[in-house]
Amino acid sequence: GAGVSQSPSNKVTEKGKDVELRCDPISGHTALYWYRQSLGQGLEFLIYFQGNSAPDKSGLPSDRFSAERTGGSVSTLTIQRTQQEDSAVYLCASSLAVIGGLETQYFGPGTRLLVL
Amino acid sequence: EDKVVQSPLSLVVHEGDTVTLNCSYEVTNFRSLLWYKQEKKAPTFLFMLTSSGIEKKSGRLSSILDKKELFSILNITATQTGDSAIYLCAVTDNYGQNFVFGPGTRLSVLP
Repeated sequence: GAGVSQSPSNKVTEKGKDVELRCDPISGHTALYWYRQSLGQGLEFLIYFQGNSAPDKSGLPSDRFSAERTGGSVSTLTIQRTQQEDSAVYLCASSLAVIGGLETQYFGPGTRLLVL
Repeated sequence: EDKVVQSPLSLVVHEGDTVTLNCSYEVTNFRSLLWYKQEKKAPTFLFMLTSSGIEKKSGRLSSILDKKELFSILNITATQTGDSAIYLCAVTDNYGQNFVFGPGTRLSVLP
């Protein structure tokens, strides 16, 4: 399909290891968002990319989290030295350019991360 | 294939009106349905529904789930311009970790 895809769908890792999560946005969408959904809680904003502008990293919970978006398309979210509290579903969404308005975000299926 | 359908996709009302937003779903091993309000970048959580027929209420917003007919409604009474947003519906599976989002309803409340 032409929706947002994420990989892997599931990831189990040991505490202290690094993990890399990938998001393929909808073709033509210039805005890309990463969120974290912990069990029983709402969506937590992590980072936002818009075109070639500097990303909005205001939601990253610690310096162990980083993200990049190469070529304005695919994005990777990296978590270094994972901790058990990093266990959550990591959701990616994309939208058309957000310029002075509100655009519908299209969500991927999420990556379920479990840190043992 | 799991899916969530929302209607209407777009709605324009005037302040004081009451609106009803619809969400229907098909998901294997349903666990919960969630409503979010998206105003800025990040959607904010409104309700999580797991049981049929029990209304959840928060101020002028309320929501109810019908697990037999596989749908939920979100009601907003006495709408205000601040209610203008995209309202997202999502469902999760039995482990609460697989998410399927609907396309959203874009609500515009005019003064």
